[in-house]
Amino acid sequence: DSGVTQTPKHLITATGQRVTLRCSPRSGDLSVYWYQQSLDQGLQFLIQYYNGEERAKGNILERFSAQQFPDLHSELNLSSLELGDSALYFCASSPYNRAAPDEQFFGPGTRLTVL
Amino acid sequence: GQNIDQPTEMTATEGAIVQINCTYQTSGFNGLFWYQQHAGEAPTFLSYNVLDGLEEKGRFSSFLSRSKGYSYLLLKELQMKDSASYLCAFESGGSYIPTFGRGTSLIVHP
Repeated sequence: DSGVTQTPKHLITATGQRVTLRCSPRSGDLSVYWYQQSLDQGLQFLIQYYNGEERAKGNILERFSAQQFPDLHSELNLSSLELGDSALYFCASSPYNRAAPDEQFFGPGTRLTVL
Repeated sequence: GQNIDQPTEMTATEGAIVQINCTYQTSGFNGLFWYQQHAGEAPTFLSYNVLDGLEEKGRFSSFLSRSKGYSYLLLKELQMKDSASYLCAFESGGSYIPTFGRGTSLIVHP
């Protein structure tokens, strides 16, 4: 157990819909990272927040957005969902703005299925 | 551009040694990561190589050649629990944000 929690564990929805994935970092961690893992694309970094501010952006679609709240939890919003958005979405947290890979702690993931 | 490549699947026998290769192309390379991921679970960190050479951690070792854009993960004394996907990823530009390969699915059989 990494100490990072993600809800929901599973999510099934229809094309065109909007969903929100939630992540609570480990106690004291200021950074949150979002990753998407699909069968055809592998694991991809989406976005990082540090203490409420966006710090790094990866291959995140314009239909997707994220934020980090004052209590440091983060939400990833996915809108106008398409079949190809079906994937595992992981959140990771770390205490630092720049965190080495052994300093990032992954949550259990949210499996999104778009029908 | 950036590119990273590793075999899709490998099989090996319990107790044996297996080497999983990874090649990459990028500018401003900083380091290379290996992660292990069991099906349906989160990735777990295995190693991070910055300098050329072999780094050993118990049954797992990781090698890097920066000039060749090449790395491998060596797993010794394979156990059934080592059946998992092994993800290679590089980091460039100093951000620690990794670019992942698609992973190598390792199947260990008795």
